[in-house]
Amino acid sequence: DTGVSQDPRHKITKRGQNVTFRCDPISEHNRLYWYRQTLGQGPEFLTYFQNEAQLEKSRLLSDRFSAERPKGSFSTLEIQRTEQGDSAMYLCASSLTGGARELFFGEGSRLTVL
Amino acid sequence: QQQVKQSPQSLIVQKGGISIINCAYENTAFDYFPWYQQFPGKGPALLIAIRPDVSEKKEGRFTISFNKSAKQFSLHIMDSQPGDSATYFCAPGGTQGGSEKLVFGKGTKLTVNP
Repeated sequence: DTGVSQDPRHKITKRGQNVTFRCDPISEHNRLYWYRQTLGQGPEFLTYFQNEAQLEKSRLLSDRFSAERPKGSFSTLEIQRTEQGDSAMYLCASSLTGGARELFFGEGSRLTVL
Repeated sequence: QQQVKQSPQSLIVQKGGISIINCAYENTAFDYFPWYQQFPGKGPALLIAIRPDVSEKKEGRFTISFNKSAKQFSLHIMDSQPGDSATYFCAPGGTQGGSEKLVFGKGTKLTVNP
């Protein structure tokens, strides 16, 4: 399978714990995006990387959230001191073209904060 | 999210019928108008997209109609099939200022009855 891969697919954690999600984009794609989707809503943009540079961040990305893309390959999204409101599906997407054209999404990492 | 309004929230059609989903946006800087399809447990997948210099685009059974002056675009699914049952999102975006962000609507759940 050469699509976008996300790990873990499901994570249950207690409030206050830290969690980290990993995204492996399609290999030749230099653009990588993180979105968050809550039940019954559309995905909301969190952040965008071109190669290893984080070029855009949403105001939704509070200080507890940090994303990295070392070496411009896989990316990680870490949430520190999780809160119940962080419960959501975290979606990663990659693209070869600019302007957010043709995003290929992974199946997401579902976070449940108890 | 209020920048983009989708209607209806849900839609039930019979096999062979026409499904129509509408999207209204506020931001005149948007210059890219895609529709994404999402099945349960999967990430969204690009279905069809249009640029603002074109009023209509057709790909197979799927057509986008775009009305720039009304700031609206719609998705038409002809000869709807049970396999089209999914949630559909409009997700306009713009590259003004270099933004790579798509703004997703809340989604329309389509059910096609056999």
